[in-house]
Formats: sequence, structure tokens, C-alpha cells
Amino acid sequence: ILNVEQSPQSLHVQEGDSTNFTCSFPSSNFYALHWYRWETAKSPEALFVMTLNGDEKKKGRISATLNTKEGYSYLYIKGSQPEDSATYLCAFGPNAGKSTFGDGTTLTVKP
Amino acid sequence: EAGVAQSPRYKIIEKRQSVAFWCNPISGHATLYWYQQILGQGPKLLIQFQNNGVVDDSQLPKDRFSAERLKGVDSTLKIQPAKLEDSAVYLCASSVRGVNEKLFFGSGTQLSVL
Repeated sequence: ILNVEQSPQSLHVQEGDSTNFTCSFPSSNFYALHWYRWETAKSPEALFVMTLNGDEKKKGRISATLNTKEGYSYLYIKGSQPEDSATYLCAFGPNAGKSTFGDGTTLTVKP
Repeated sequence: EAGVAQSPRYKIIEKRQSVAFWCNPISGHATLYWYQQILGQGPKLLIQFQNNGVVDDSQLPKDRFSAERLKGVDSTLKIQPAKLEDSAVYLCASSVRGVNEKLFFGSGTQLSVL
């Protein structure tokens, strides 16, 4: 069983703040790292698939970086908006479906 | 394109009762997954289907859980009998081939066992 950890567990920020969270995974035998956003009462949505050391992906105000040598990935949100409130999950493993999920970081953005 | 459909959205049962969840993946997606997500934890894979065959059910509690995907399209997950610890969100997801590609999730079934 792979150990995937996310921090912090929860985060409360004001609208307009920028924020970031961390996903840690085993640094040996890297496969791929997936980020998902899960809004309340909706389906989890895939944000990024990261496969190479040094990868940087961006989608609007959200971006992610990957360091496979030290076993971590950062997710950044620039200028948080209330609609960014969600649980952000990372998953690590040999393929998307069989990946081990972290417990998530729950972000609340206050207007 | 239509997304992954799941029903029911919510279910409340008493322990020792039976319950079934249904999932219809995106058309053409060969791979279907069922996950259990307990409050405060990440989703845990229960079973993976490739078309109508089981690829991995190593984490499925087979004494009470069963799943099938007849004709390689929609799928049903059953719990019989339910225990209190089965209270969770049950998520279905699908992908085209089951390799390292994007997963599409349904909105889940929230099960409460009283």
C-alpha cells in the first residue's frame, strides 16, 4: 500500500488570497500523480496528470508542480475565489484508476 | 458528452439490510471503477472492471460486497448485509482504456447505515 499524504487537512482563506497545498508520495518508483477537485454535491473533477520530474501544469488560476526526486507536488491557487471552495485530492499510482488517494485538503474561500 | 450516471443519490438503511447502487459509465469507456470514500479519507478502490471482466477486486470485502458489469456497460454494486462501517460515499468512475488517462467520476451515492 502506497503512502500518500496531503497537507494541510483544511484551509480557510479570504477571497483574493493565494494559497498552496502539498501532496507527498514515495520518491522511489514514480508512476504518475493526479490532482482532482471535488466540490460539495458534485463529481470529482480531474485537474492535472503529472508524469515527469519538474512538470508544471496550469489551468486558469490553478497550477501544479512536481518533484519526483523528493516525492512531493504542490498545487497553487492564485487569487482564490469562493467558487474554488472544494476538497482537493491527489492520487499516486501505476494508473489513474488504481492510484492511492490522499485524504484531501478542504479549501474554504470566504467572500 | 453525457457524464457518468449514478443512482440513487442518497440511501439510508438499517444495519443488516441490503442495498444496491447503479452506475452507467460514459459511452465507449471500457474501464469502470467503484470506490468507497469514508468521511475524512480519500477514495479507496473496491473493484475495477475492464469491459465485463473483473481486473482487480482485491480490496472488495467479498463476504458482503458484490459487483457485476453485465454486457460491459452499466454496473451494480451490492452490499448484503450492511454494517455501520459501510456508511460512506460510493463513487463510480470510468476511463477509456484503464491506462494512465483521465478518470471521469459520477456524483456518488451517499449511504448511511443506522
